[in-house]
Amino acid sequence: ETGVTQTPRHLVMGMTNKKSLKCEQHLGHNAMYWYKQSAKKPLELMFVYNFKEQTENNSVPSRFSPECPNSSHLFLHLHTLQPEDSALYLCASSQERTGGRYEQYFGPGTRLTVT
Amino acid sequence: GQNIDQPTEMTATEGAIVQINCTYQTSGFNGLFWYQQHAGEAPTFLSYNVLDGLEEKGRFSSFLSRSKGYSYLLLKELQMKDSASYLCAVKGGSGAGSYQLTFGKGTKLSVIP
Repeated sequence: ETGVTQTPRHLVMGMTNKKSLKCEQHLGHNAMYWYKQSAKKPLELMFVYNFKEQTENNSVPSRFSPECPNSSHLFLHLHTLQPEDSALYLCASSQERTGGRYEQYFGPGTRLTVT
Repeated sequence: GQNIDQPTEMTATEGAIVQINCTYQTSGFNGLFWYQQHAGEAPTFLSYNVLDGLEEKGRFSSFLSRSKGYSYLLLKELQMKDSASYLCAVKGGSGAGSYQLTFGKGTKLSVIP
């Protein structure tokens, strides 16, 4: 496997279900991100982990719970979601140091539908 | 606050040149990125500007003016496969936020024969 992988690619869940999204990066990066992409809206940053520590939580509802057990893996645990949470969830990683380009590499995303 | 504006949609003809503009107002600036995103796929990195001027990479070029809060992506010799959304993103802020990206809504480019 190379780059950033995400599973599952598609997920349909009811509002009372609990599910988890998984992201794995094979690039040796030290920062990982969760984004939400809805139709006609910009990519919304949800969570940031740098060196496995959460450094940002952009006012995301508590029904989304991130977990970063190590610098290569990132999870997004979902429970009691709402239909408006249906979106494409993208994981990204980057190598962050002071200065420099350090672009983010994105995974293919999980298309989530909440029924 | 962070605000990034780019046109919602553009249409151009195969073989032509198209310029996609992006204006930004952000609380900090550590570089501007352009990403390409085909429908149903992940965004992929195209270009990066941190100093004023033009960066050229094959058929794609990107320009930055920090004093004007303005950038553009120039695509030459358009091909049908260039039909995609083009996302402008600014890396900004300070401290823990200095490496985070703020994205515009994206410009959907349609290339027609």
